[in-house]
Order: sequence, then structure tokens, then C-alpha cells
Amino acid sequence: KAGVTQTPRYLIKTRGQQVTLSCSPISGHRSVSWYQQTPGQGLQFLFEYFSETQRNKGNFPGRFSGRQFSNSRSEMNVSTLELGDSALYLCASSLAGGDPYGYTFGSGTRLTVV
Amino acid sequence: AQTVTQSQPEMSVQEAETVTLSCTYDTSESNYYLFWYKQPPSRQMILVIRQEAYKQQNATENRFSVNFQKAAKSFSLKISDSQLGDTAMYFCAFIRGGATNKLIFGTGTLLAVQP
Repeated sequence: KAGVTQTPRYLIKTRGQQVTLSCSPISGHRSVSWYQQTPGQGLQFLFEYFSETQRNKGNFPGRFSGRQFSNSRSEMNVSTLELGDSALYLCASSLAGGDPYGYTFGSGTRLTVV
Repeated sequence: AQTVTQSQPEMSVQEAETVTLSCTYDTSESNYYLFWYKQPPSRQMILVIRQEAYKQQNATENRFSVNFQKAAKSFSLKISDSQLGDTAMYFCAFIRGGATNKLIFGTGTLLAVQP
């Protein structure tokens, strides 16, 4: 079966702009989580969506938002980009969240803010 | 709050040899799961092995096995017969039981398998 698909793979944006990242989970998976990965902070949880509702949120400013559609695809939006937002953004899908069988990750979107 | 600590930023091993990556965690929960993920240069996080906290038996997946010491809150990964394709960043991760909980990752160990 198809894996988790994240688009685009790479993005370069200017400070102050906004960006939208997309994640298509594995078919049948209803939970989508987003993580930010940076060399300094490591992997940090952004938020999780399940059945179009945000169920859990990490400690990030309100500039970071997301949504989930009825087909479980999720988008993440970052407004007013800052240099520190440069990171690898990973999406993970699971059947229902808190999955004891582990999450399946996409290959990520590499965002560079200049 | 739960924390996961990986004290080895980098490790190196010769092909065909065995290497052990360390991980400790801190939690007061009794229902939780532990994972090792591998992140090669392709960036995709790949699940290597998982362990349920309530199981005393150590998990094994082919060349990968864990040493789960619940009382010591230790969860190390042993890679036997190391292969060049094992070269990657390895992350230890923890999740509490429950649908709304999130993965908490360690800082990772960069493993280089030398020919």
C-alpha cells in the first residue's frame, strides 16, 4: 500500500511569507501528526489531527496551524515566517493516534527561510 | 513530563560486528510503549522495533533486538551483523498509552557502519 506522502519535498521562502505543507496519510489512517526537526531542538511535536479535529497541540506559537480534510489529508500552515522556522517538517500517520504499533512517517518537507 | 535521553551522539562500528545504542527514559506512567526509529539520509523515519512496557520479554526483529530494563528505565538497541545500510540516525522514542498522546523523541545517535 502507498506510504505517507508529503509535498513539496523542498521549499525556500522569504521571511514574512507564509507557507502551506501537505500530508497524505496511509489509506485508512485517520490520525495525522506533525513534527518539526531541527539540529538544535531535535524532533518536536506540533499537533495531531483525528477525524478533522485537532486533538493535541505542542508548544508552538499561533503562527503554526493545521487542518485535516474529510479524506484524512492534512495541511500545515506557517504564517509570518521567521528564520528559525527553517526545519524538516515530518508528518506521521496512524490508525487512531497514540498508536502502540508505531507511526508511519513521510519523507518530510525541508523548509528553508531566507 | 516524560523525557528520553540518548547519551551517545555518534557511534561507529565495523561491518559485520555488533553495536549497542543506549536510551534511557523518565516517566511515572505504567502504560507506555517504546520505539527505535531509523532515519537514513533519505530523511524518512523508519520504525525499527517496538516494545510494550507491560511485556517483560525483549523485542526482536531479525538483526535488531532490545534490552528493556523497566526498573532502570533503560531501552537499548543491539544491532547484530551490522551492514552498510544500517548507517543512519537512530532515535529512541516513547509514547504513553492513550489515543491522544504524542511521541517523545531522544536527540538521536548517528551510527556509521565502516566497511
